[in-house]
Amino acid sequence: KNEVEQSPQNLTAQEGEFITINCSYSVGISALHWLQQHPGGGIVSLFMLSSGKKKHGRLIATINIQEKHSSLHITASHPRDSAVYICAVPYSGGGADGLTFGKGTHLIIQP
Amino acid sequence: KAGVTQTPRYLIKTRGQQVTLSCSPISGHRSVSWYQQTPGQGLQFLFEYFSETQRNKGNFPGRFSGRQFSNSRSEMNVSTLELGDSALYLCASKRLAGSTDTQYFGPGTRLTVL
Repeated sequence: KNEVEQSPQNLTAQEGEFITINCSYSVGISALHWLQQHPGGGIVSLFMLSSGKKKHGRLIATINIQEKHSSLHITASHPRDSAVYICAVPYSGGGADGLTFGKGTHLIIQP
Repeated sequence: KAGVTQTPRYLIKTRGQQVTLSCSPISGHRSVSWYQQTPGQGLQFLFEYFSETQRNKGNFPGRFSGRQFSNSRSEMNVSTLELGDSALYLCASKRLAGSTDTQYFGPGTRLTVL
């Protein structure tokens, strides 16, 4: 089973700050997922990436396959970015199905 | 296109009972995965179905089971409920098997066991 470590667990920042959340995993993978969960439970998939970097609006995700590490960045953070951000990788590594998750980063952006 | 739907949204049961949760994937999606989320353990993988076949299973006891129908709808069943089964149960669908595909999550079923 793939193991996922995510840091920090909690992060409070001021509006406008640059945010970085880190994720490391133990077994080689075909793709890594970044998810966002708002209070109430709904989970939204932000990124799925297997190499390099992806950008969507103010969100940027990078991955280093050799180092088994990924980062999620938020530029010009805003209070509406407050949520739990979760990193996920294939449960058994490789191309197997089902995901295993980090514990999540609880992000609060203060105005 | 309608998203992933889960029924019921909330459920209260007592210890020893059994429960069945339902998940309807996005139209055209054939893969359905189930997850359990608790404050202590976070999100954990239960099982994944594709074309009515279970392809992968997480580390849960045999009291947790599931199935998928020919229309891709899926159900999960928990027998002999325990207090620790209280959790948010999420399902997610994607078009095909294989992890290089975006998963779309349903709103979840919140199960409380008394």
